[in-house]
Amino acid sequence: QKEVEQDPGPLSVPEGAIVSLNCTYSNSAFQYFMWYRQYSRKGPELLMYTYSSGNKEDGRFTAQVDKSSKYISLFIRDSQPSDSATYLCAMGNNFNKFYFGSGTKLNVKP
Amino acid sequence: GAGVSQTPSNKVTEKGKYVELRCDPISGHTALYWYRQSLGQGPEFLIYFQGTGAADDSGLPNDRFFAVRPEGSVSTLKIQRTERGDSAVYLCASSLFREETQYFGPGTRLLVL
Repeated sequence: QKEVEQDPGPLSVPEGAIVSLNCTYSNSAFQYFMWYRQYSRKGPELLMYTYSSGNKEDGRFTAQVDKSSKYISLFIRDSQPSDSATYLCAMGNNFNKFYFGSGTKLNVKP
Repeated sequence: GAGVSQTPSNKVTEKGKYVELRCDPISGHTALYWYRQSLGQGPEFLIYFQGTGAADDSGLPNDRFFAVRPEGSVSTLKIQRTERGDSAVYLCASSLFREETQYFGPGTRLLVL
């Protein structure tokens, strides 16, 4: 069983839609949770970082962590074509070593 | 300022050859990480340096893989006797200190024929 599971998509939505991206994990020791965005042929770029459980909001992005269910989510409001990318969740129990999901490819249609 | 840079951007080699991949971290960043990303997968941790020393090399798949960071800045990932299964994008990331945001480079695309 993989440490982190993520639906690969692709997910296609119209511009302006609310997007929900999710990951599940198996290791209850994970405390650091991150969402990265990766454009084609580029390195991942950190979007959101959450420590332990709870919600965090930054502009159009909201990250949620539910440690009891081992489930994390990223919501994108008012999605834009420029949000079209692959979204990777990552997590770990320390900052030395993160486990990444396989990524969800998102396409926002104008 | 400049971000993390990696050279070469693309590398094609033949099975059995030796390759070196270079990472130039952001100036002043003490922590440096190497990841491998296969097609359709997320990055997979290989090794983490704090300064000059490898603090965690548990992700290196076997003894054909080795990485160095002799002066605590530039790092080189070395792969001996390359195999077709080594084909992937090799990503480097750096952070100011250990518990800080990791900034990724664009990666080196390695193709082993």
